[in-house]
Amino acid sequence: DVKVTQSSRYLVKRTGEKVFLECVQDMDHENMFWYRQDPGLGLRLIYFSYDVKMKEKGDIPEGYSVSREKKERFSLILESASTNQTSMYLCASSSGVRAAMNTEAFFGQGTRLTVV
Amino acid sequence: DAKTTQPPSMDCAEGRAANLPCNHSTISGNEYVYWYRQIHSQGPQYIIHGLKNNETNEMASLIITEDRKSSTLILPHATLRDTAVYYCIVCHSFGNEKLTFGTGTRLTIIP
Repeated sequence: DVKVTQSSRYLVKRTGEKVFLECVQDMDHENMFWYRQDPGLGLRLIYFSYDVKMKEKGDIPEGYSVSREKKERFSLILESASTNQTSMYLCASSSGVRAAMNTEAFFGQGTRLTVV
Repeated sequence: DAKTTQPPSMDCAEGRAANLPCNHSTISGNEYVYWYRQIHSQGPQYIIHGLKNNETNEMASLIITEDRKSSTLILPHATLRDTAVYYCIVCHSFGNEKLTFGTGTRLTIIP
């Protein structure tokens, strides 16, 4: 069974802390994505990566950075957490250019981050 | 710049067909229409996708208009477990591009 695993389901951090959200996929997917989800705003793309060490800004990258040192792992970094980054964070992965027809995205269960 | 527009909410009686519309008037020739749904407290789940032909799987049917500017997701016999937010997105099936979700349609199945 395919799997995207996020390291924490719930996380509470203090303002100003550096926060790492980890995501691992076991499907050998090229593409990985980080979203945040807030009431009334839907899923908004923060960053995505289509290969190891490659990254592209999504729609709301400010205040975040990412790291993809290995194909299976995509980390979201909050350099200095702020209260307006309290949100549900979702990671996803999908096949890339060299894949077959089914390139749907698979999502993790999400990390609910609270910054106090 | 939203690529799709969907109604914010819909209700459907249990056992009836739920028809969820999506407009994607700026879709390009090599972009697919994908549908996902998100049940409360879970990550989104893939439902179905198509290019120009109608598609059916064990979960739903997808009807795409001939001009490809709109589509309809059909859940043939809605159950209470189909209550969820449904997202319609367009993207290339291959390629390294961002997947952009909108706010979706919140579907409520009424007993």
